[in-house]
Amino acid sequence: QKEVEQNSGPLSVPEGAIASLNCTYSDRGSQSFFWYRQYSGKSPELIMFIYSNGDKEDGRFTAQLNKASQYVSLLIRDSQPSDSATYLCAVASGGSYIPTFGRGTSLIVHP
Amino acid sequence: SQTIHQWPATLVQPVGSPLSLECTVEGTSNPNLYWYRQAAGRGLQLLFYSVGIGQISSEVPQNLSASRPQDRQFILSSKKLLLSDSGFYLCAWNGGALAVTDTQYFGPGTRLTVL
Repeated sequence: QKEVEQNSGPLSVPEGAIASLNCTYSDRGSQSFFWYRQYSGKSPELIMFIYSNGDKEDGRFTAQLNKASQYVSLLIRDSQPSDSATYLCAVASGGSYIPTFGRGTSLIVHP
Repeated sequence: SQTIHQWPATLVQPVGSPLSLECTVEGTSNPNLYWYRQAAGRGLQLLFYSVGIGQISSEVPQNLSASRPQDRQFILSSKKLLLSDSGFYLCAWNGGALAVTDTQYFGPGTRLTVL
């Protein structure tokens, strides 16, 4: 059974700091990795995706993928109170186009 | 650009009553469509998915059913709701290429409370 694990948190960081969110997965055949942000009471929205080992940057967000260690992380630079949300990690494996979602990590950015 | 709609936004229903939730996608053709449920404090549970009109795959056996009467319309139904059916119901879509790189996009969701 494919598993995607995230620390439920909450992760609390001060405004302006770097928030680091981590996700591990069980299936070594995983190929696609997605990060979603979900505000309380709202639906998940895609932040970014990554397919290759290494870093991918998009504005204040950086996704980091290490397939050998089977983890993917999301870094949020210059964190803002508006970044306070639950961040969902999703992983798709070869042979399936349906991703497996983690339960999410709650992030709180305090002023 | 593509847009996904869900209605109603919120619903309060008594136990044993029927249910019908609707999802429509605009701006794309032949999408893959998905129904998820997110219970309070829990992760996303995939309920059904569809790769085409009339084609439904069920992930979890329960008192819910799904139908896809049109290419961009996906309906979630129940004949008799249970208390455990309460939750946040999300419709999602992605491209029809069935590629592992396809990204899912979610609708605004329906908050269902069964009393």
